[in-house]
Amino acid sequence: GAVVSQHPSWVICKSGTSVKIECRSLDFQATTMFWYRQFPKQSLMLMATSNEGSKATYEQGVEKDKFLINHASLTLSTLTVTSAHPEDSSFYICSAQGNEQFFGPGTRLTVL
Amino acid sequence: QKEVEQDPGPLSVPEGAIVSLNCTYSNSAFQYFMWYRQYSRKGPELLMYTYSSGNKEDGRFTAQVDKSSKYISLFIRDSQPSDSATYLCAITNTGNQFYFGTGTSLTVIP
Repeated sequence: GAVVSQHPSWVICKSGTSVKIECRSLDFQATTMFWYRQFPKQSLMLMATSNEGSKATYEQGVEKDKFLINHASLTLSTLTVTSAHPEDSSFYICSAQGNEQFFGPGTRLTVL
Repeated sequence: QKEVEQDPGPLSVPEGAIVSLNCTYSNSAFQYFMWYRQYSRKGPELLMYTYSSGNKEDGRFTAQVDKSSKYISLFIRDSQPSDSATYLCAITNTGNQFYFGTGTSLTVIP
C-alpha cells in the first residue's frame, strides 16, 4: 500500500526555537495533505489542509503565523512550528490524500 | 455539538471475546465512515471503510453503519492480544475533511 513518511520521528527542542517537520508521500502524488495534532488521550485534531501550490487552509483556532505550512511539491509538505513553547509539545501527524487517506507515522515534539 | 462522539473507554476484554466499539455522529449528510487502528506512538492506519448504510466484513472485523440512528459500530470477533490498540472512528462527506472520534482504548488480555 501507499506509504507516507515523516521526519523527524521525535524531536526535542528548547523553548523559542523553530522546528520543521517533513511529510512525504513515497509512492504517489498528493495534491492535498493534512496536518493533525494529537494530545495524550485525545483524538486527532485537524490543524490545516495543505494544497500543493497554494496557501494552506487553517482550522479555527490554529495560528497560521505560528504553524507555517509549505506544500512545495506533490510529494512533500512541511510544517514549521515557529517559536515553539512547551504547550506546543504534542504528536503531529500528517496524512496524504491518494485513493484513500494515508497517515504518516507521526512526529513527537517535546519543547523544553 | 461535536460532529462525532466516541466512548473513550478504556475497554479491557479477555482473549477470544467479541468486542463492540461504537460512535455516534450528528450530521446525516455524512456518507463515508471509517475505522482506524492506532498503536501506541504510531500514526493511525485504516482498518475498515464503508459507504452509506450496511455491514462490511473483513476477516475478524465487521463494520456496521445505521444511518437512521446515526450510529456506527466496529465488531472484533475472537479478539487477540495484538488487537490491543486505540480505535478511532472517522466520518467524512467529501473525502477531504475528516472528523475523528476521540478513540477507544482496547486491551485484550491473554
